Amino acid sequence: GAVVSQHPSWVICKSGTSVKIECRSLDFQATTMFWYRQFPKQSLMLMATSNEGSKATYEQGVEKDKFLINHASLTLSTLTVTSAHPEDSSFYICSARGLLSSYNEQFFGPGTRLTVL
Amino acid sequence: AQSVTQPDIHITVSEGASLELRCNYSYGATPYLFWYVQSPGQGLQLLLKYFSGDTLVQGIKGFEAEFKRSQSSFNLRKPSVHWSDAAEYFCAVSNQAGTALIFGKGTTLSVSS
Repeated sequence: GAVVSQHPSWVICKSGTSVKIECRSLDFQATTMFWYRQFPKQSLMLMATSNEGSKATYEQGVEKDKFLINHASLTLSTLTVTSAHPEDSSFYICSARGLLSSYNEQFFGPGTRLTVL
Repeated sequence: AQSVTQPDIHITVSEGASLELRCNYSYGATPYLFWYVQSPGQGLQLLLKYFSGDTLVQGIKGFEAEFKRSQSSFNLRKPSVHWSDAAEYFCAVSNQAGTALIFGKGTTLSVSS
């Protein structure tokens, strides 16, 4: 149980295009989803916290107009990197937290490798 | 502010030898502590967690960790390392279960034969 998937697992795009990454909780309802970013050989940095049905809360320094997050249902959150540039190339990982009564922990997706040319 | 320090960037251990990865945290209240493992290009796998109770916690793959409040530490141990344990290990803390995690910078474990 408590499986989180991400799609796509990797994507290559041209500079200036937009890329959408999906994060799905497959067997539980996720009231909160988190988006992290990981540069090579570095740790995970929280980008934003997304609660179902409300606007995401972004960490300081993260451009909310560039990284659009939508959490429209209890099983799906999306991260859209708008007008991507090479410096946005990174490994993006989502995690999900379920309802307090069932799952009180955070479960991580496998990550999405974004390369912007 | 919460923070996590993993003092060792890279550790090499012989196969069959014991392992200890260090983790120190800074947090005012009782922390929720986690250890994750990440293989190259992969997501995170939870090894073990500590919320409360017994300060020695057992995890998957033969790992254990001990919470020491007096030292603000949560070190990860394994009595006998296997070559498949080579990976990146992250210690993380949160203020309550299910909130966003603060990660350490990670320790890369290499296993020599």
